[in-house]
Amino acid sequence: GESVGLHLPTLSVQEGDNSIINCAYSNSASDYFIWYKQESGKGPQFIIDIRSNMDKRQGQRVTVLLNKTVKHLSLQIAATQPGDSAVYFCAENPTDKLIFGTGTRLQVFP
Amino acid sequence: NAGVTQTPKFRVLKTGQSMTLLCAQDMNHEYMYWYRQDPGMGLRLIHYSVGEGTTAKGEVPDGYNVSRLKKQNFLLGLESAAPSQTSVYFCASSTGLGSYEQYFGPGTRLTVT
Repeated sequence: GESVGLHLPTLSVQEGDNSIINCAYSNSASDYFIWYKQESGKGPQFIIDIRSNMDKRQGQRVTVLLNKTVKHLSLQIAATQPGDSAVYFCAENPTDKLIFGTGTRLQVFP
Repeated sequence: NAGVTQTPKFRVLKTGQSMTLLCAQDMNHEYMYWYRQDPGMGLRLIHYSVGEGTTAKGEVPDGYNVSRLKKQNFLLGLESAAPSQTSVYFCASSTGLGSYEQYFGPGTRLTVT
């Protein structure tokens, strides 16, 4: 079946540093990718999305990069803050449904 | 604008009991979804709806039923709960299918003993 995976289950960064969270996807038919943030005890919250006709998209302090050649997606968070501590997961749409990855936990320490 | 709301937030059931989870959205979205989230696994789609009066099976539909009698509401039912249904359940809604942001509710934590 389809799979969306993450290279690092836990990422620890110092406050103020940049964070990079990676995601590998398996289906070249996917044309839409999305990143969510999930804080403990809460529902997933939209961060940013990107369509396959783009390589890069920027939001406020976040950038998503898409490399279709190697089926790789990354989320960059600039100047990481304690409030960024959460689980981040990506999703792709190999069909008309979103398939979600298992997530990477981002820990921010002072 | 409340977005997506879910009731209840927590529930404990005994094996064999039944219950209904309610999801409501005030964004006038056509599409609604029910997911379950288990440790170490990504969100898995249980059932979804592409509009009022319609429902369809997702990846893990067994043991669950749904109804969408009103556009703003999507109900998830467990007729005879099993311990394997212990999970956190999330409802979501979107304006389109597959290539659109899904807005999630806060979740319902269900424990079946």
